[in-house]
Amino acid sequence: EAQVTQNPRYLITVTGKKLTVTCSQNMNHEYMSWYRQDPGLGLRQIYYSMNVEVTDKGDVPEGYKVSRKEKRNFPLILESPSPNQTSLYFCASSLSRGNTGELFFGEGSRLTVL
Amino acid sequence: AQKITQTQPGMFVQEKEAVTLDCTYDTSDPSYGLFWYKQPSSGEMIFLIYQGSYDQQNATEGRYSLNFQKARKSANLVISASQLGDSAMYFCAMRERGGGNKLTFGTGTQLKVEL
Repeated sequence: EAQVTQNPRYLITVTGKKLTVTCSQNMNHEYMSWYRQDPGLGLRQIYYSMNVEVTDKGDVPEGYKVSRKEKRNFPLILESPSPNQTSLYFCASSLSRGNTGELFFGEGSRLTVL
Repeated sequence: AQKITQTQPGMFVQEKEAVTLDCTYDTSDPSYGLFWYKQPSSGEMIFLIYQGSYDQQNATEGRYSLNFQKARKSANLVISASQLGDSAMYFCAMRERGGGNKLTFGTGTQLKVEL
């Protein structure tokens, strides 16, 4: 089954404790991205990757890091989480550059930073 | 300027009635895609319908149709014969060919279907 898998789905952590949210897709997609969703703001892009070893900032990259060492995986790293990073996070993937077609979403990871 | 505007924060509709959720967009890219996603209370993003900028006909998927008016830059979602299970948040989004593949979202419309 074609899917985007995120882990963990739910996480409560404390300020400053490094954490990683993993994302994996099995559709051989070149493009992957991370979004955060906050009430009244919709979804905003954090980082994206056009292919292996190619990453770039989205609209709200501060406080986050990403890596793309393999095509299928695109982890989101919070080196020193802060309460303003409490949010619902989505990983998404699709075919390559220039594509205006569907983005496939993971189920979301709800993060609370105390 | 906002790329995607959804002006209805909340909507109510009676079961079995049709409802239209509004979406306007702003782009100078001639090639783009417009999407609607449904987000139930459980949180996942469910793809509903897609309209390409060069598509001549309005997209339809079952009870969902997209009223695409290119000159007015609007892409309203029409849900026919509403069901209780349609109660959810609905997001309009756009993907521009020159936009680095980014999907830009509106702020959403919360739809509540009542008996």
